[in-house]
Amino acid sequence: AQSVTQLDSQVPVFEEAPVELRCNYSSSVSVYLFWYVQYPNQGLQLLLKYLSGSTLVKGINGFEAEFNKSQTSFHLRKPSVHISDTAEYFCAVRETGGSYIPTFGRGTSLIVHP
Amino acid sequence: ETGVTQTPRHLVMGMTNKKSLKCEQHLGHNAMYWYKQSAKKPLELMFVYSLEERVENNSVPSRFSPECPNSSHLFLHLHTLQPEDSALYLCASSRGSGAQSGEQFFGPGTRLTVL
Repeated sequence: AQSVTQLDSQVPVFEEAPVELRCNYSSSVSVYLFWYVQYPNQGLQLLLKYLSGSTLVKGINGFEAEFNKSQTSFHLRKPSVHISDTAEYFCAVRETGGSYIPTFGRGTSLIVHP
Repeated sequence: ETGVTQTPRHLVMGMTNKKSLKCEQHLGHNAMYWYKQSAKKPLELMFVYSLEERVENNSVPSRFSPECPNSSHLFLHLHTLQPEDSALYLCASSRGSGAQSGEQFFGPGTRLTVL
């Protein structure tokens, strides 16, 4: 069975600083991986996804993530954050060839201070 | 109109009321989901409808009743709710086939308050 762990429930950072949000998954087979963002009072929207191919995935709003199979990780990074990046970020995983229903992590709250 | 829409956006109800949440998607997807999002708790999958199956989270109380009349519409019928049911209820859709990536598209949610 698949599972996903987001190691940090909250990450405070100053504006224009770099940030990394951590995500580790557990699965015995190959996986698809996703990062979603949820701004206050809104639903989730896809930031980026890894399906296959290049392990470095670029998404919207300057975010990128790197798939590391040996470490079973899919950490999200941004080199310089803005106040507007303050939001909840969710990592999700689903096994290829398995159920189409993904498993979500508990979320990481990114708080960007001026 | 495109994407996933949910109505109402906000709902306040008493414990004896009956109400329904509505979700509609115009993306041609064939799987639809209800999630519950409570403060300080993980996203909770409640129900899934797809061409192949209906999936229920067995921990969801029977006072929540889903209905999916077609692949574009999903309802969540609510009756005799409790204050702890207050939460953001999110609808999502995706391509339901296992061969697809499983990327989900979410609506803006219905903020439910039970008095």
